[in-house]
Amino acid sequence: KQEVTQIPAALSVPEGENLVLNCSFTDSAIYNLQWFRQDPGKGLTSLLLIQSSQREQTSGRLNASLDKSSGRSTLYIAASQPGDSATYLCAVRQETSGSRLTFGEGTQLTVNP
Amino acid sequence: NAGVTQTPKFRILKIGQSMTLQCAQDMNHNYMYWYRQDPGMGLKLIYYSVGAGITDKGEVPNGYNVSRSTTEDFPLRLELAAPSQTSVYFCASSYSALGPFNSPLHFGNGTRLTVT
Repeated sequence: KQEVTQIPAALSVPEGENLVLNCSFTDSAIYNLQWFRQDPGKGLTSLLLIQSSQREQTSGRLNASLDKSSGRSTLYIAASQPGDSATYLCAVRQETSGSRLTFGEGTQLTVNP
Repeated sequence: NAGVTQTPKFRILKIGQSMTLQCAQDMNHNYMYWYRQDPGMGLKLIYYSVGAGITDKGEVPNGYNVSRSTTEDFPLRLELAAPSQTSVYFCASSYSALGPFNSPLHFGNGTRLTVT
């Protein structure tokens, strides 16, 4: 059974700092991995999707990497801003059960001005 | 585009009551999904649909029903509400010519349901 773990559960940083969020998964037979952000009382917003054949994806100040063999992904946020404060979730899709998207519990990020 | 719209935003039900959570998308997405989010449990897939008239079970379908009569709408029905169905429900949609699980998901803002 796939398990997705995100560490740390909460992170507080000063504005301008570069930071890394971690996501690990137990079954490396994945189809793809997505990073989402969730603002309080809102739905999830897809940030980046990495296919299993890819090593990384970039969007603006965000860079996500994937090491499928070791079961790890990182989300790098450059020059953090208060508007980046949110909960960040990663989710993996299995090769064998494509409909199932297994989510981590998220990292709650606070960027202090 | 409004994206994915969910109604209502909040609802309190008594045990045994029924209700329908509405979901509509205006992006002409072919795939639609229902998730529930519980504290400390992450999101779990309830049902999904790959197109009008086609639905399939996800991880936690018991106690729920869905229909997909149009591309735009994907309502979720609770027939006999139970306290275990207290949760936040999210509808999502996606489009892909490569299959339902190969593109980013677009989420609605959720329906917060309490069953007492």
